[in-house]
Amino acid sequence: DAGVIQSPRHEVTEMGQEVTLRCKPISGHNSLFWYRQTMMRGLELLIYFNNNVPIDDSGMPEDRFSAKMPNASFSTLKIQPSEPRDSAVYFCASSSRGRGEETQYFGPGTRLLVL
Amino acid sequence: GENVEQHPSTLSVQEGDSAVIKCTYSDSASNYFPWYKQELGKRPQLIIDIRSNVGEKKDQRIAVTLNKTAKHFSLHITETQPEDSAVYFCAASRAAGNKLTFGGGTRVLVKP
Repeated sequence: DAGVIQSPRHEVTEMGQEVTLRCKPISGHNSLFWYRQTMMRGLELLIYFNNNVPIDDSGMPEDRFSAKMPNASFSTLKIQPSEPRDSAVYFCASSSRGRGEETQYFGPGTRLLVL
Repeated sequence: GENVEQHPSTLSVQEGDSAVIKCTYSDSASNYFPWYKQELGKRPQLIIDIRSNVGEKKDQRIAVTLNKTAKHFSLHITETQPEDSAVYFCAASRAAGNKLTFGGGTRVLVKP
């Protein structure tokens, strides 16, 4: 099993640019979570999906952030326009909710730097 | 919503000693409590979890205890080794597989 796959692993961009982060969950998992990690705020849940449907997006900081899950094997987190305060490590995690494997497995993360 | 407090924020122990990290939670409906270990520059990885129908769980050198009445749970690492040095996060949720609320993390340093 390849585990959760995220791309890109590193992203450096300038303020105002659009940033798209990608995630491929573990095959067979039906829940997907996007987290942001910073020194100041720790690990924060941004949004999560069950069976490709957004369930809770209360952690999304503002309208500049959007997330989609068009199918069971792919999700994106988009920031438009990006700002320096968006600099963080963004993790995607997946789990198999209700199917006996509820552990959340994290991807390697995308380290985002907005200049 | 759920709020998880974690203490201490940093912990330095001598190799071979024990380390204890404590967490409290606010939502009495929470019943799943995982612990994650994150090494520098790496992803968080689950090391142990406990459900509310269990008071204690052990896996080799690590153990977790849960007190639902007091709404707190703890991670115990015995015979610490340098490779135990990392940041440890506790978390809580209403069900396994549901959204997790994380504590602020504890940076553990095991001195040889």
